[in-house]
Amino acid sequence: DAGITQSPRHKVTETGTPVTLRCHQTENHRYMYWYRQDPGHGLRLIHYSYGVKDTDKGEVSDGYSVSRSKTEDFLLTLESATSSQTSVYFCAISGRAGGLETQYFGPGTRLLVL
Amino acid sequence: QQQVKQSPQSLIVQKGGISIINCAYENTAFDYFPWYQQFPGKGPALLIAIRPDVSEKKEGRFTISFNKSAKQFSLHIMDSQPGDSATYFCAAGSGAGSYQLTFGKGTKLSVIP
Repeated sequence: DAGITQSPRHKVTETGTPVTLRCHQTENHRYMYWYRQDPGHGLRLIHYSYGVKDTDKGEVSDGYSVSRSKTEDFLLTLESATSSQTSVYFCAISGRAGGLETQYFGPGTRLLVL
Repeated sequence: QQQVKQSPQSLIVQKGGISIINCAYENTAFDYFPWYQQFPGKGPALLIAIRPDVSEKKEGRFTISFNKSAKQFSLHIMDSQPGDSATYFCAAGSGAGSYQLTFGKGTKLSVIP
């Protein structure tokens, strides 16, 4: 395991409520990522971080914000959840494998917005 | 705009057969091509990866074939086993350090006894 945990693992919430998902790493990696996974769409990048307080948008960032106040934690916030944000959310970190930089994924968070 | 196209969406292979999954990309700046394997309820896990400076990479039963001129790459699983049944994602990345990845939509592989 790449030393990545996500919390909560499952969450049910109502439309319009704020939701925060947490990603925690024990590997001290600089780069962290948030993806969402939906049937027929594969994995899509929401936001990523390249250091403490340094973040940037990905492909599907609308409706999401992120924060990284410590190297080990990367938070994803849905300010006002919508049903279209029902998805499985994965956090990833960059690491090296066989001399190549790659990404390692956490176990995921299943979010249901009613 | 989908930058990495993956096919087929689903694949059924007999035990012992060869599973082949194909991907095509558009962005010539991509210089890193990993494959991920995902079992139900789990996060994707790196299976094998290749850089454009080689045309093939083999790790055990898994082989990546890469055709730079055609902008295509494929995963071959030799002697497919029921335990290989999973969803496979190809991806492409570029840029040193962050290696932002663009993923294909995935192929659900079922290996039947």
